[in-house]
Parts: sequence; structure tokens; C-alpha cells
Amino acid sequence: QVHLVESGGGVVQPGRSLRLSCAASGFIFSDFAMHWVRQAPGEGLEWVALISHDGGSQYYADSVKGRFSISRDASKDTLYLQMNSLQAGDTAVYYCARERTGYYASHWGQGILVSVSS
Amino acid sequence: DIQMTQSPSSLSASVGDRVTITCRASQDVNNYLAWYQQRPGEVPKLLIYGASNLQSGVPSRFSGSASGTDFSLTISSLQPEDVATYYCQRCGSAPFTFGPGTKVDLK
Repeated sequence: QVHLVESGGGVVQPGRSLRLSCAASGFIFSDFAMHWVRQAPGEGLEWVALISHDGGSQYYADSVKGRFSISRDASKDTLYLQMNSLQAGDTAVYYCARERTGYYASHWGQGILVSVSS
Repeated sequence: DIQMTQSPSSLSASVGDRVTITCRASQDVNNYLAWYQQRPGEVPKLLIYGASNLQSGVPSRFSGSASGTDFSLTISSLQPEDVATYYCQRCGSAPFTFGPGTKVDLK
């Protein structure tokens, strides 16, 4: 079955960078677009970014545009989120999610915590 | 960008009650609307896609409907395991904005 496992989270100082990974298994990775969604402590869900099935198109929320970059490696069945110039407001649990047709997030990883603090 | 609103922000209901949550899009989303359930401490789960299509494995007491830019999620008979926060999301094209959520608990 579909399995998504995030890694790379942790505590980071403001202004620094971090790269999240999401290892995918149980499906043909290159057939599906992938999302990153985050949830600040005690808050609601916020969509962050999406990459098309072939990596040719990327879309970002205004809150992260120019600072975050989504990418994928089909040879490793892995999704990435490069986060630069991190701010306290980026503190959240970050989820990767696989789409079903229409970009609905049908399968989710367990999430990884990113804490931006000095 | 399209904004998503939800009402109410929270509600309390009894087991067996019919519960309806609404979501409104600020512009036409062509029924590219999803509903998610997030139980406390758990990962979000897709319930409904395309405004009214039940995701595989979701109990039939959940249903979705649409009228223009207004959408509804209905739980026909609330169960204890339905205590959760429910989110709508605009899909189909970016940005894939979530609504603020509706928290459902038991009276």
C-alpha cells in the first residue's frame, strides 16, 4: 500500500536552511503529483507546495514563494522541500501527500516537526 | 486568490445527530472541492473529493454536496469516532487553499 515517510526535520535557527525528504513506496512515484502541507502548533492546515508528476511544474503558497523549493528524484522515489531563510512562522509539522486525480491529497505521511528558534 | 471560509468554527452534537458543515469559496472552483477529517493527534484523511464523491473506505454516513460556490459536508448519524476537525480545500489548480476548519465534538 501507499507509504510516505518524511525525514530531515528538527530545530533550526532563524535565517538558516533545512531540507525535508519524503520517501515514497507502494505506488509508481512518477505517476503522481505530490504536495507539501504544514500545520503550525494548534493551528489549521496550510498548503505549501505542489510538484507535478514529472517534476516539470511547481506551485507555491505566497507565504513561502522565493524561500522554499519543491523537487523530486524519480530514481530514488523521493520528494524534497528545500527551505531557506527560515522564520519563526515556519514552525510546523510538515506533511508530504500524494495526490489523486484533481490534486486531492489522498495519502499522507505521518509528518515531521520543524522548529525555528534561536 | 480564492479564499475559503467555513462555518461554524465549532459545534457540539450528540451521538446519532445529523451534522452539517458548510464551506464557501470566494470564486467558482468548478466543484474541485475536498473535505478532510483530522482526529486529535492524527494525520488528515481525505473524506470527499470532487465536492460529492466518497473516498474509498470512508463510511457512507459522510456525504458532500455543492450549490455554486457553497459546499456542505453532512454526517448523517454522528458517531464517537467522528470527533475531529474538518477542513475543506480548493483543489484542481493552485493555490490549493484550505478552509480554517470546523471542530466537531460530542455534547
